[in-house]
Amino acid sequence: QKEVEQNSGPLSVPEGAIASLNCTYSDRGSQSFFWYRQYSGKSPELIMFIYSNGDKEDGRFTAQLNKASQYVSLLIRDSQPSDSATYLCAALGDTGRRALTFGSGTRLQVQP
Amino acid sequence: DTEVTQTPKHLVMGMTNKKSLKCEQHMGHRAMYWYKQKAKKPPELMFVYSYEKLSINESVPSRFSPECPNSSLLNLHLHALQPEDSALYLCASSSEGLTDGYTFGSGTRLTVV
Repeated sequence: QKEVEQNSGPLSVPEGAIASLNCTYSDRGSQSFFWYRQYSGKSPELIMFIYSNGDKEDGRFTAQLNKASQYVSLLIRDSQPSDSATYLCAALGDTGRRALTFGSGTRLQVQP
Repeated sequence: DTEVTQTPKHLVMGMTNKKSLKCEQHMGHRAMYWYKQKAKKPPELMFVYSYEKLSINESVPSRFSPECPNSSLLNLHLHALQPEDSALYLCASSSEGLTDGYTFGSGTRLTVV
């Protein structure tokens, strides 16, 4: 079973702090990785993707990928109460199974 | 148009009913997906269509029957469902590239009574 693992949380941070969300994956054939945000009762919304080792920044968000450690993370700077949601990490399989597998999600709570 | 449209938004059906969920995208995406999501769980892949052909079936029970009439439309036909099939059903589409995330529809909240 190819898995994507996340801590379920909740992760609680004060407003303005950095939130750090982590994800590990078991399939070394996974090619790229995506972070989605999902508000309660809503559908997942794509935040960003990463496929090369290192960091990728987009506004307040930074994704980090370490393929040797099979580890992906998402940093949210200057966290806002509106960032409170469940964050889903997803891995895209290799050409034999080109579909997203989601982790169980980490619930983030940003305290005003 | 950057949206995936799903109808209906809510559906209540009995265990002997037949119903269909519909999904439409006009982004020119070549792949479309059905996911099932239970409360506090991640989306679970059900079916993948690529170029209108079924490419992945995640061993989904036959009471769920997918159909892809054309590159913009995806249906999920439901028959003889069980109460445990109650969930949020999500449709998504993508261009299937390595850096192409999925665009999700708003989902259909299904309740089987």
